Amino acid sequence: NAGVMQNPRHLVRRRGQEARLRCSPMKGHSHVYWYRQLPEEGLKFMVYLQKENIIDESGMPKERFSAEFPKEGPSILRIQQVVRGDSAAYFCASSPDRGSQPQHFGDGTRLSIL
Amino acid sequence: GDSVTQMEGPVTLSEEAFLTINCTYTATGYPSLFWYVQYPGEGLQLLLKATKADDKGSNKGFEATYRKETTSFHLEKGSVQVSDSAVYFCALSDSPNFNKFYFGSGTKLNVKP
Repeated sequence: NAGVMQNPRHLVRRRGQEARLRCSPMKGHSHVYWYRQLPEEGLKFMVYLQKENIIDESGMPKERFSAEFPKEGPSILRIQQVVRGDSAAYFCASSPDRGSQPQHFGDGTRLSIL
Repeated sequence: GDSVTQMEGPVTLSEEAFLTINCTYTATGYPSLFWYVQYPGEGLQLLLKATKADDKGSNKGFEATYRKETTSFHLEKGSVQVSDSAVYFCALSDSPNFNKFYFGSGTKLNVKP
């Protein structure tokens, strides 16, 4: 019974490049959440998506960041023109429905910007 | 807005010592409260939860009681093991839709043999 799968586990990008982070939710889960963890800090909510819909993006930076969860395939968090401050661990969580808890977390993608 | 405050770490204990990690919260509604544990290089794993006042969550010897009067959810364990060394996060889930979690900054626990 596979959990939330994130890839890659580690991603290195140079400033100005694009980063694409993938998240496959648990089987049967159609709700996905992205969080960012800066070094020595807790997780901060970024965005909540359901299949083909963004439900809540109140934690997303206004520029360069976008997220999608298509009908088929994984959820993608895209960061364009990365900067040093984007270096962090990005975690994805999933749940089977709206309001269901708790969320199940993946192992994260560690993004490093050179 | 909703928020969670945890005691700062690191907390260093000897094996079999008693553990308390303090957590207090601020919320406008009636949140659910959680403790998650993160081992090095891994994601968060749910440790325990409580969904209403006076509920006690428990798992693997860890306990926490939802105290509405003191807005607290302190984590306790009577006898820690070296394998308990990890970072512990207190979190709340907003109401009424539980669409996002608010996490504390984490408390690192080091248990020495």
